[in-house]
Amino acid sequence: DVKVTQSSRYLVKRTGEKVFLECVQDMDHENMFWYRQDPGLGLRLIYFSYDVKMKEKGDIPEGYSVSREKKERFSLILESASTNQTSMYLCASSYIWASGISSYEQYFGPGTRLTVT
Amino acid sequence: AQSVTQLGSHVSVSEGALVLLRCNYSSSVPPYLFWYVQYPNQGLQLLLKYTSAATLVKGINGFEAEFKKSETSFHLTKPSAHMSDAAEYFCAVGRDSSYKLIFGSGTRLLVRP
Repeated sequence: DVKVTQSSRYLVKRTGEKVFLECVQDMDHENMFWYRQDPGLGLRLIYFSYDVKMKEKGDIPEGYSVSREKKERFSLILESASTNQTSMYLCASSYIWASGISSYEQYFGPGTRLTVT
Repeated sequence: AQSVTQLGSHVSVSEGALVLLRCNYSSSVPPYLFWYVQYPNQGLQLLLKYTSAATLVKGINGFEAEFKKSETSFHLTKPSAHMSDAAEYFCAVGRDSSYKLIFGSGTRLLVRP
């Protein structure tokens, strides 16, 4: 079974703090994603990475950055946390077929509920 | 551009009743469609997926969905609801020709005893 783990289930930070959310997957997946989930808005893509050190902005990248130094690990960084970044953060991964085509099917971690006060 | 609309942010059914969660999509390319379920304080778990092999797709926990191209719909059904089905359900469509997904806003299913 694919396992995607996230470093914390619950996190409380103060405004202005630098926050690191860590995600690790154990299935050698090439693609990794960070989403935030807010009531009534579904999941919105923050950033994704299709290879080590490769990243692209998603739909709502403002206020966030990412790091992918190793294939299995994808970190989301809030440079200066603000109260409007209080949310549920979900990490996901997906694989690339031998043909080179990426699968759309994503595997999710349990989520990190971040509260910024 | 692709989009997903889930009708009804909350659906309430009695235990044993039919579950119907609606999803409509727009896509300029043959769609890849998914239903995910999220139990309280957990991540998303894949229920089922449509990848053009068959229009009626069976998933886990007795759920199924039917792809109807003419109606651009991919509604999720289950003949008889269980209390354990109470969760939030998300429909998603593959985005363009990339490997990203676009998610609907979610439907919370409540099951009454």
